[in-house]
Amino acid sequence: DIVMTQSPDSLAVSLGERATINCKSSQSVFYNSNNKNYLAWYQQKPGQPPKLLIYWASTRESGVPDRFSGSGSGTDFTLIISSLQAEDVAVYYCQQYYGNPYTFGQGTKLEMK
Amino acid sequence: QVHLQESGPGLVKPSETLSLTCTVSGYSISSDYYWGWIRQPPGKGLEWIGSFYHSGTTYYSPSLTSRVTISEDLSMNQFSLNLKSVTAADTAMYYCAKTSSTWSWYFDLWGRGTLVIVSS
Repeated sequence: DIVMTQSPDSLAVSLGERATINCKSSQSVFYNSNNKNYLAWYQQKPGQPPKLLIYWASTRESGVPDRFSGSGSGTDFTLIISSLQAEDVAVYYCQQYYGNPYTFGQGTKLEMK
Repeated sequence: QVHLQESGPGLVKPSETLSLTCTVSGYSISSDYYWGWIRQPPGKGLEWIGSFYHSGTTYYSPSLTSRVTISEDLSMNQFSLNLKSVTAADTAMYYCAKTSSTWSWYFDLWGRGTLVIVSS
C-alpha cells in the first residue's frame, strides 16, 4: 500500500494569514506516461462529507476559491491557503489515486488562531 | 444535478453482515464512472473500501476483499455494500462516492454518509 503522511497533524493560523499543509507519499505517485501526479486534496467540515478541492496535485475543482492552491510532484505535495478565511476551518486530507488501495492521509486539522 | 444518498441500518450486531444502499439521482450509474464506498471511523481518517463499474468490473481494498461485496441494481439506479463478519472496528460513517472518471480515481461527489455502529 502507498502510505500517505500529512504534516502537521494540526495547525492554527490567524485570519488572513497563510496556511501550509504537507503530504508525503511512501512511493512516487507520478506517472511518466501522462506527466501527471495522482494526488488529490479534500476539505471536510464537521458533520459533512469530504469536498474535493484539488486534483492532479494542482488543479482546482470548479468553484473552489483561488486562495487554495496545490503543488508538488513525485512524493512531496503541499496545499496552501493563501489568506485564511473563517470558513476554511476544517480537516484537510490528501489522497493518492495512483494505485489500489486508494489511500488517504491521516488528516490535518486547521483551526483559527 | 447528481445526488448520492446512503441508506441502511444504523446498528449491526457483531459477526453479522452490514448492508447499505446508495441511491443515485440525476445520473444513470450504467452510463459511466466508477461508484464506490469509503468509510470513516469516528474521529479518524478515510478508508476506501471498493468501487465498481457498470460493466461488472469491481475493485476492493485488499484489506477488506475477503469480507466485502459491492453490487449494483441498474434498474433502481442503486448500488450496495455488503460487509460480512463485522466487528466493532467496522463502526464508521459510510459514504458512497463517485470517481471523476474511469481512469482518475479521485472522488468528486459524495453522499452525506450514514453512521453504522457495530454493537450487541
